[in-house]
This record gives sequence, structure tokens and C-alpha cells, in this order.
Amino acid sequence: QVQLVESGGGVIQPGGSLRLSCAASGFTFTNYGMHWVRQAPGKGLEWVAFIAYDGGEKNYADSVKGRCTISRDNSRNRLYMEMNNLRDEDTALYYCAKDVRWKVHEFDSWGHGTLVTVSS
Amino acid sequence: EIVLTQSPATLSLSPGERATLSCRASQSVSNYLAWYQQKPGQAPRLLIYDTSNRAAGTPARFSGSGSGTDFTLIISSLEPEDFAVYYCQQRNNWPLTFGGGARVEIK
Repeated sequence: QVQLVESGGGVIQPGGSLRLSCAASGFTFTNYGMHWVRQAPGKGLEWVAFIAYDGGEKNYADSVKGRCTISRDNSRNRLYMEMNNLRDEDTALYYCAKDVRWKVHEFDSWGHGTLVTVSS
Repeated sequence: EIVLTQSPATLSLSPGERATLSCRASQSVSNYLAWYQQKPGQAPRLLIYDTSNRAAGTPARFSGSGSGTDFTLIISSLEPEDFAVYYCQQRNNWPLTFGGGARVEIK
């Protein structure tokens, strides 16, 4: 069965950097676009970033554009997000999520999330 | 950015009753709209994609309809496990956006 396992979250000071990872298994990783979606404590869902199956297309929410970089390693079935210049409002549970299928950017599998807390 | 507005924000119903949740888009999203269910402490779960297609494992009591700017999720007869928060999400335009969520609570 599909498994997505995020890691890399933690407590970080404003202005700091983090690298989130997502280990994928149970499906052909190289066939699917992948996303990061976040949820601030007690709040709703916010889409953050997308990367196409081959890394050839990337898209970002305005709230993270220029500060975050999504990437993937298809040889290791891993998704990443490099986050720089972190702000208080980046505090959230970060989920990795998988496309339903090619170009269908709706999320049929989610990890359990990794918590990023930005605090001084 | 396409804004999705969900209504009502909270729906108070009893098991066995019918739930009707609405999602309105600030501009047309064609039929590219999904619905998710989220329970406390859990990741969201895809219920419906592209307006009316049930995801694997979604019970038949869940149905989706609509097009353009107005969409509806219906739960025909609420089971105890259906009390949760529901989100809509559009994929017609970047950035992808979610609605603010609608809570279905036990009356």
C-alpha cells in the first residue's frame, strides 16, 4: 500500500532554514507529481508546492515563493523541500501528498506530517 | 488566486440525517474540484475528485455534484464516523487552493 513518511521538522528560529523529506513507497514514485501541503495549528489546509514526476515543472504558493525549493530524487523515492528565511507564519504541520494521476492535482495519499515550529 | 468559500461553516446533524455541504468558487474551476475529510489528529483523506468521482474506499453514501463555480457534497445518511471537517480543493488554476473547511458535528 502507498506510504508517505515525512521527516525533518523541528523548532527553528525566525530566519532559519530546514530541509523536509518525504520517503515514498508502495507505488511507482517516478510516475506521479508530488506536493507539500501545510496546516497551521487549528487552521485549514494550505497548498505549498508541487513538483512534476520528472522534476521538470515546479509551482509554489506566493507565501513561500523565493524562500522554499521543492525537489525530488527518483532514484531514492524521496521528495524534499528546502525552507529558508523561515517566518512565524510558517509554523505548521507539513504533509507530503501524491497526485491522483498525471496532471490530476488532487491528493489521494498523504503522509502523517512533520511539524515545523518557528519560534525564538 | 481562486477563493473557495464553504458553507455552512458548521453543520449540526444527527446520525442517519442527510448532510449537504456547499463550496463556491470565485471563478470557474470547470469540474476540477475535490473533497476531503479530516478527523482530529489525522491527515486529510480524499473522498471525491473531479467533482463526482469517488476515490478508492469512499462509501457510496458520499456523492459530489456541480460545475463551474458551485459544488455540493452530499452525505446521504450520516454514520458516526462521518462527523469530521470537510474541505474542498480546486486544481483548475495555480495556485491550488482549499476552502476554509466545514465541520459536521453531532447534534
